[in-house]
Amino acid sequence: EPEVTQTPSHQVTQMGQEVILRCVPISNHLYFYWYRQILGQKVEFLVSFYNNEISEKSEIFDDQFSVERPDGSNFTLKIRSTKLEDSAMYFCASSFQAAGSFGAGTRLSVL
Amino acid sequence: RKEVEQDPGPFNVPEGATVAFNCTYSNSASQSFFWYRQDCRKEPKLLMSVYSSGNEDGRFTAQLNRASQYISLLIRDSKLSDSATYLCVVDQYNNNDMRFGAGTRLTVKP
Repeated sequence: EPEVTQTPSHQVTQMGQEVILRCVPISNHLYFYWYRQILGQKVEFLVSFYNNEISEKSEIFDDQFSVERPDGSNFTLKIRSTKLEDSAMYFCASSFQAAGSFGAGTRLSVL
Repeated sequence: RKEVEQDPGPFNVPEGATVAFNCTYSNSASQSFFWYRQDCRKEPKLLMSVYSSGNEDGRFTAQLNRASQYISLLIRDSKLSDSATYLCVVDQYNNNDMRFGAGTRLTVKP
């Protein structure tokens, strides 16, 4: 069964550093998403991406965040200058219509 | 009113019990609804979509009540393996902007 893959599984960074989280969505999917989940809290929508552009973004997705689909397979989330409060699990998801399939997540730890 | 609201639980039930979760949503125009399950420190996994007419998948039944703006999930004959957090998800603007509830934690005990 095809799956969404994310790398790395765990990223440790210093406050103020830039990080790039990588995702390979399921190949025939059209919609791509990033979510985050702070430990012990709910899953929060960050951004959705369709037809090579952002279709929706939440209030969390400020100027520090950006997404790219640099080629036909990868989908990346960049955080320009990480803050302590960015520490969370970041999930990538993709879907053909609705009901996304999630990757296993990248745990980001900002020190 | 929160966009998507769930009773956080926890629900502690014995094996074989029937348990039901409700979820309310704020946007009356929402069209797509889903239940996901999330095991501890794992990614959410789609359990089932929720259709207007209600739908069943084995021991799981999902219902939608548009008038009252809630969806429900019923689990019959619960198994130990059903222990997880159940997430209500609403595509509130019908544009694949999925909003998650905080989840309802279920523990099934022997």
